[in-house]
Amino acid sequence: DAGITQSPRYKITETGRQVTLMCHQTWSHSYMFWYRQDLGHGLRLIYYSAAADITDKGEVPDGYVVSRSKTENFPLTLESATRSQTSVYFCASSAGSNQPQHFGDGTRLSIL
Amino acid sequence: AQSVTQPDIHITVSEGASLELRCNYSYGATPYLFWYVQSPGQGLQLLLKYFSGDTLVQGIKGFEAEFKRSQSSFNLRKPSVHWSDAAEYFCAVGSGNTPLVFGKGTRLSVIA
Repeated sequence: DAGITQSPRYKITETGRQVTLMCHQTWSHSYMFWYRQDLGHGLRLIYYSAAADITDKGEVPDGYVVSRSKTENFPLTLESATRSQTSVYFCASSAGSNQPQHFGDGTRLSIL
Repeated sequence: AQSVTQPDIHITVSEGASLELRCNYSYGATPYLFWYVQSPGQGLQLLLKYFSGDTLVQGIKGFEAEFKRSQSSFNLRKPSVHWSDAAEYFCAVGSGNTPLVFGKGTRLSVIA
């Protein structure tokens, strides 16, 4: 089925560990986005990508790394996880920067 | 830079009552405007969008929104709320080639 898939749905890890969140979309959308959602802060943009091999920082990029070697995939890596990165992470895709974004179901990440 | 304000953090309405969720934006030109809904444990789902033309926009699930340029507003309305409408609602604005900017959300509770 066409859509946007995030994996894993839940992840528990320890501080200092590297963790990668996966995002895959089947629409061939050029734009992809990573957000974190925290109580009181709404959605905050971490990184986005306008096309394969093109990425840009969002509002809160520190501590995160992204890559986009293929149009359909946009993994997000926490190179050395910290407790402040405990959050719910959402991936989204869209056909253009101002087009509606389609969201995955999120990854709930807990860092102990 | 554009910004979005949702003045109400939490609203409670009775089932069957009418609903209006407020959204104000800051942007010089005509923006692209969106409303999303998020049910617990899920990603955001697009309710409706405004790009141009008729300022009253119809969406899914019986929702509508009206773009008022003079008030820089894009309020979401529903004539009769159902218990299943309880969720978090996000307004978003887009312009140019920059990613959408989301408001911090309004949580809707529905009581019998």
